[in-house]
Amino acid sequence: GENVEQHPSTLSVQEGDSAVIKCTYSDSASNYFPWYKQELGKRPQLIIDIRSNVGEKKDQRIAVTLNKTAKHFSLHITETQPEDSAVYFCAAKGGNQFYFGTGTSLTVIP
Amino acid sequence: NAGVTQTPKFQVLKTGQSMTLQCAQDMNHNSMYWYRQDPGMGLRLIYYSASEGTTDKGEVPNGYNVSRLNKREFSLRLESAAPSQTSVYFCASRRPWEQFFGPGTRLTVL
Repeated sequence: GENVEQHPSTLSVQEGDSAVIKCTYSDSASNYFPWYKQELGKRPQLIIDIRSNVGEKKDQRIAVTLNKTAKHFSLHITETQPEDSAVYFCAAKGGNQFYFGTGTSLTVIP
Repeated sequence: NAGVTQTPKFQVLKTGQSMTLQCAQDMNHNSMYWYRQDPGMGLRLIYYSASEGTTDKGEVPNGYNVSRLNKREFSLRLESAAPSQTSVYFCASRRPWEQFFGPGTRLTVL
């Protein structure tokens, strides 16, 4: 089956700096790559996603890039704010199943 | 429009007891999922249902059973709970691409 690896596991940045989280996947048939934000005690919430026919997608301060050849995709958050502090998960969809990375705990220091 | 709902929110069981976690969605989605979330391990798929009347195993199905009661409801049953099943359980439903998660059930098995 699919194997998704996510790095780093923890990330601390100063407010206003950028944060980058990277994921790799193993199955070239995976065709959809969402990113979720999860605050403590809450459910995962979709923040951005990208399909395999697109190389980059941006939504305000958040962007995702996909390199199908290298089988990796990344989340970029610019101008970070304290409310961006949370755990972020990447995922890859193959067929009907989703495979998740192990999460990145992001702390934005005011 | 309540989205995805789960009951109960919290549950404590003794080893060997059984229980059913309930999930319902009002978005008319065909696909529904059950995940467990453990510290440092992301979300792992237990079972999923691609459509009413079908269910399939995910990554970690042992010790669980599911029922897709109708299009709205997808339940997860623990027949004989074990301490290793202590976790947070999330139900999700999916439209063609995006997944929507329920609020979760925090289960402790003593």
